[in-house]
Amino acid sequence: GAGVSQTPSNKVTEKGKYVELRCDPISGHTALYWYRQSLGQGPEFLIYFQGTGAADDSGLPNDRFFAVRPEGSVSTLKIQRTERGDSAVYLCASSLTSRLVDEQFFGPGTRLTVL
Amino acid sequence: DAKTTQPPSMDCAEGRAANLPCNHSTISGNEYVYWYRQIHSQGPQYIIHGLKNNETNEMASLIITEDRKSSTLILPHATLRDTAVYYCIVRVTGNTPLVFGKGTRLSVIA
Repeated sequence: GAGVSQTPSNKVTEKGKYVELRCDPISGHTALYWYRQSLGQGPEFLIYFQGTGAADDSGLPNDRFFAVRPEGSVSTLKIQRTERGDSAVYLCASSLTSRLVDEQFFGPGTRLTVL
Repeated sequence: DAKTTQPPSMDCAEGRAANLPCNHSTISGNEYVYWYRQIHSQGPQYIIHGLKNNETNEMASLIITEDRKSSTLILPHATLRDTAVYYCIVRVTGNTPLVFGKGTRLSVIA
């Protein structure tokens, strides 16, 4: 079956611009996560959705970052007034809602470059 | 911060077993040990997890010490496609975020 997909695969923008990154989770997965990975580092948690609501947004670095999941499926990560330090690979993952089966399936990521 | 310590890099000859260590001396009683790997330019991939008993699946084996302060991921017959960064993570089960450290970069050499 289809895995997690993310679009675009690459995004180049200028400092100060607004960007949206999209994640399509595996069908039926109610949990959705966003992570950010800088060069040479492990992924860093940003936000977690259970259904339509953000269950944990403690990883969002500041109020320029916002994410939505209006229908409990597709999610969009929105970054306002981008800065060069926002350059990273943004990863999305989804999983079933279960204590016993909690494997997170990751998408290939969106590489964001802020010039 | 990650609650695990892993060597930054390891080499392994193709066809040999790759043994990747992980220290997690502050693990709590309800926390499991998870392993994920990340092949270049891909998202991380789940490998295996366990609480205190040794676990085996089609990808790997996980050996956890009796005091649960360390573990070893074993790839029994490493191939070139196993070259990746391997992350050891401790967490409770259920829908909680993964906390990644820097992992171990495993290079499988022909």
